[in-house]
Formats: sequence, structure tokens, C-alpha cells
Amino acid sequence: QVQLVQSGAEVKKPGASVKVSCETSGYIFTDYYIHWLRQAPGHAPEWMGWIHPNSGATNYAQKFQGRVTMTRDTSITTASMALSRLRSDDTAMYYCARSNLKISDFDFWGQGTLVTVSS
Amino acid sequence: DIQMTQSPSSLSASVGDRVTITCRASRSISNYLNWYQQKPGKAPNLLISGASTLQSGVPSRFSGSGSGTDFTLTISSLQPEDFATYYCQQSYTTLPLSFGGGTKVEI
Repeated sequence: QVQLVQSGAEVKKPGASVKVSCETSGYIFTDYYIHWLRQAPGHAPEWMGWIHPNSGATNYAQKFQGRVTMTRDTSITTASMALSRLRSDDTAMYYCARSNLKISDFDFWGQGTLVTVSS
Repeated sequence: DIQMTQSPSSLSASVGDRVTITCRASRSISNYLNWYQQKPGKAPNLLISGASTLQSGVPSRFSGSGSGTDFTLTISSLQPEDFATYYCQQSYTTLPLSFGGGTKVEI
């Protein structure tokens, strides 16, 4: 069965960086984009960007340009997202999710990784 | 960017009620509209894609309709497990992909 399993919760200080991983299984990794989204408490999910599994090409939401880096390792079918220069308003649940290559919808999601930014 | 607006932001309903949630796009998105259900502490779960296509395993009491700018999610007979928050999401433009603000369905 399709699974996306994310790394554990993180607590970071303002100005630091965080890296969250997403280990996938149960499907052909190179056939689906991996997206990263985040959700602050009481808010809707917010799309951060995607990575093409084959080429490694990325597309980031303008809001995160310059602070986010998405990578993947096809040998271990794992994607990662790093966010730098963290601020308190980056505190959120971060999710990876997959979509087909038409980017029609997010059909499977990771369980989420809570990132808390606090001094 | 395409803005997605959901209404209402919350509603109270009883088991067995018919519930309708609306989602409006700031410009036409054809039928590139998806609906998700999210329960507390869980990731969103895809219910409907392409405005009206029910995902495998989703009960038939859920249905979606609409095209262009106006869309609806209907639950024909609300069940206890349906109390959750529902989000619409457009995939017409992928930069950026965007969600509505959510509708919390409460008892």
C-alpha cells in the first residue's frame, strides 16, 4: 500500500533551519510529484512547492522562494524539505503529499511533522 | 493567484441532515476542483477530485458538483464520522495551488 512516512517533530530557535524528510513506499516513486504543504493551527493547508521525482526540478511558491529547498533521493525513494531563517510564524504542521504528473490532486499524504519555532 | 472562498466557515448539523458546502473561485477553474476532509490531528483526505469524481472508498452520501467558479460539496445524510473540517482546493493553476479557508461541520 502507498505510504508516506515523515520524520519526527522538531523544535527550533528563530533564525535556525529545519529539514523534514518523507520516506515513500508502495508505488513507483518516479511516477508522482512530491509536494510540501504546511498548516498552521486553525488554518487551511498552504502549498509550499513541489519536486519532480525524476529530474529533481522544483517549483516553489513565491512566498517561500529563497528560504525553501526541496530535494529527493530516488535510491531510497525519499524526499526532503529544508526551510531556513525560521520565524515564529513558521510554526506549523508540515506535510508531504503526492500528486500525479498532471498535478490534479493530492491523493496520499504523510502523517505530518510538527515544527515549532520558539526562543 | 486564484483565491478560493468557502462558505459557511462553520455549521452545526445533526445526524441524518443534508449538508451543503460551497466553494467559489476568484476566476474560472473549469472543473479543476478537489474536496478534502480533515479530522483533528490527521492529514487531509481526498474525497472528490475533478469537481465530481468520488475517490475509491468514499461513501456515496458524498457528492460534488459545479464548474467554472462555483462548486458545492453535499453530504446527503450526515453520519457521526462526517463531523470534520472540509477544504476545497483548485488545481487549475499550479503556481500556486490554493485551498479554501475550510468549513467545520459540528454537531
